Amino acid sequence: ETGVTQTPRHLVMGMTNKKSLKCEQHLGHNAMYWYKQSAKKPLELMFVYSLEERVENNSVPSRFSPECPNSSHLFLHLHTLQPEDSALYLCASSQEVGRETEAFFGQGTRLTVV
Amino acid sequence: KQEVTQIPAALSVPEGENLVLNCSFTDSAIYNLQWFRQDPGKGLTSLLLIQSSQREQTSGRLNASLDKSSGRSTLYIAASQPGDSATYLCAVRPRSSNTGKLIFGQGTTLQVKP
Repeated sequence: ETGVTQTPRHLVMGMTNKKSLKCEQHLGHNAMYWYKQSAKKPLELMFVYSLEERVENNSVPSRFSPECPNSSHLFLHLHTLQPEDSALYLCASSQEVGRETEAFFGQGTRLTVV
Repeated sequence: KQEVTQIPAALSVPEGENLVLNCSFTDSAIYNLQWFRQDPGKGLTSLLLIQSSQREQTSGRLNASLDKSSGRSTLYIAASQPGDSATYLCAVRPRSSNTGKLIFGQGTTLQVKP
């Protein structure tokens, strides 16, 4: 248990569906992150939120829409995805976006787009 | 642009062996380096965090070293056990970013045979 909880653990969706991934951290952290892990590729940063403000969007297509209503919750809203978006989506948190902070990850959501 | 490389990509050893996993990075301007463990289809578990001012960190049978000037880190696992079988990832936090992003290697998949 890392203190970062992601739901659902598995998701299968059609290309015309709309779904959301949820992340909750119980560590009192101020920064939250979405990463994508595709087969045979390193983890890639998607978004960073610091104190509910988006501070980084790593050139992610608009079919992925993040939301951070408070410092404990992070969502990733999905719509009109493509099969190549199938991947493991990982949420992480850290005390702050500062220099020496340690990152803690959730268990991930395995997304399959059909 | 910071790049992280992990060699070897896969490693198989008999139980009880001591082993070393390697991580190299191209830009020595980092805040810290973190080693993670990932079991198949699961999230990341943080193993060790080494700040840029530190040379090594130890936790149980694990010891991680950092040579920032040469852009290298090693993860030493003593007396390996079948339960150590997993993918090990290293990630650096670059000084070029103030958003807390991590740059990951592709990982080393370790199999420890009974």
